Amino acid sequence: EVQLVESGGGLVQPGGSLRLSCAASGFTFSSYEMNWVRQAPGKGLEWVSYISSSGSTIYYADSVKGRFTISRDNAKNSLYLQMNSLRAEDTAVYYCARNGKGAADYFDYWGQGTLVTVSS
Amino acid sequence: SSELTQDPAVSVALGQTVRITCQGDSLRSYYASWYQQKPGQAPVLVIYGKNNRPSGIPDRFSGSSSGNTASLTITGAQAEDEADYYCNSRDSSGNHLAWVFGGGTKLTVL
Repeated sequence: EVQLVESGGGLVQPGGSLRLSCAASGFTFSSYEMNWVRQAPGKGLEWVSYISSSGSTIYYADSVKGRFTISRDNAKNSLYLQMNSLRAEDTAVYYCARNGKGAADYFDYWGQGTLVTVSS
Repeated sequence: SSELTQDPAVSVALGQTVRITCQGDSLRSYYASWYQQKPGQAPVLVIYGKNNRPSGIPDRFSGSSSGNTASLTITGAQAEDEADYYCNSRDSSGNHLAWVFGGGTKLTVL
């Protein structure tokens, strides 16, 4: 059974940093592209960042470029999101999501999410 | 970046058919995928590609596309289908890989 379990969320002050983790199990993690998608309270979904299966190709949404860094450790079956210079508008539930097999354009499995609250 | 536009809310009588639409320029180049999200839960993929359902998704869910519009159809809506539905596609406007989501449609089953 495919499982994605996020952790690392919490309350942080504006300008602060936080590192999210996503532990993957039930599939060959190193064969799949991964993403972070977020959802502000009461709002819709927003794609945040993508990383290829090897970690060699990375993309970001304009809203987080230069502040967030996505990475992965295939030996540990883990995905990460380092978030710096956090703003109030970064407050959201952050989900890790797997691309479908073969560089697919859809996200076939999602974690349960971890809440990040940016507030003083 | 591209935008995908969805109606904010749609309602359907129990057992009837409902179509949820999604419009955007990126849909001329890429298929939409559709996600169901119930309160307090993570999104679940219900339709991807031309018209494919993941394992475990009932066959009352189907997808179609024409021009810049993608549609999710639920034939014989059930009470458990009440949820938010989001469309999603690759973003065709930029010079790098990105994805875009629609604003979501809240489906009420009456």
